[in-house]
Amino acid sequence: QVQLKQSGSGLMKPSQTLSLTCAISGDSVSSNSVAWNWIRQSPSRGLEWLGRTYYRSKWSINYALSVRSRIAINPDTSKNQFSLQLNSVTPEDTAVYYCARDPGYCQSCLDVWGQGTTVTVSS
Amino acid sequence: ENVLTQSPGTLSLSPGERATLSCRASQSVSSSHLGWYQHKPGQVPRLLIYGASTRATGTPDRFSGSGSGTDFTLTISRLEPEDVAVYYCQHYDISGLLTFGPGTKVDIK
Repeated sequence: QVQLKQSGSGLMKPSQTLSLTCAISGDSVSSNSVAWNWIRQSPSRGLEWLGRTYYRSKWSINYALSVRSRIAINPDTSKNQFSLQLNSVTPEDTAVYYCARDPGYCQSCLDVWGQGTTVTVSS
Repeated sequence: ENVLTQSPGTLSLSPGERATLSCRASQSVSSSHLGWYQHKPGQVPRLLIYGASTRATGTPDRFSGSGSGTDFTLTISRLEPEDVAVYYCQHYDISGLLTFGPGTKVDIK
């Protein structure tokens, strides 16, 4: 059974860097058929996909246009996890952040989700 | 960028009624790249439908998906109180980007 466990900062000040980690059990971050995603949810924006990383003989990353200039998603094969960094946060980045798996058999559906991390950006 | 629009914004129905949720894309999409999610308050989003019409594991058969091109529909054949949630459609395009619609909130009268 695949499980994703999130960890990381919750309360932040504007201009700081958001940093979250998603630890994977029951699957591998280096799987050749899976992709690992970050999504956030806020009352004003609903669900917003942020980006993903995946391995197909080499590592690839895709980012949403809305955050492309300040986001980084990185795999950590030694710990079987992946991370999200979002620079220069503002109150508009206040949201619940989720990691999620695309299992590969369903054309980029997201079948397993982390528990969510509430991030609040406030001065 | 392909934009997804969902209607109605809110749907209020009585238990046992049929709920029809619409998802419209600004450009034609492959049906295999269209999914639906259920998000209940305080819970993690849940995959309901992928490939426009295939139920995910554990999805009750009162949920069905249909559509093609730019117009897709999620139908709940007989609404139950536990179906109160926000429902999102989601699309993947070949450039590697995923997009969610703004969601439809389903309430029980």
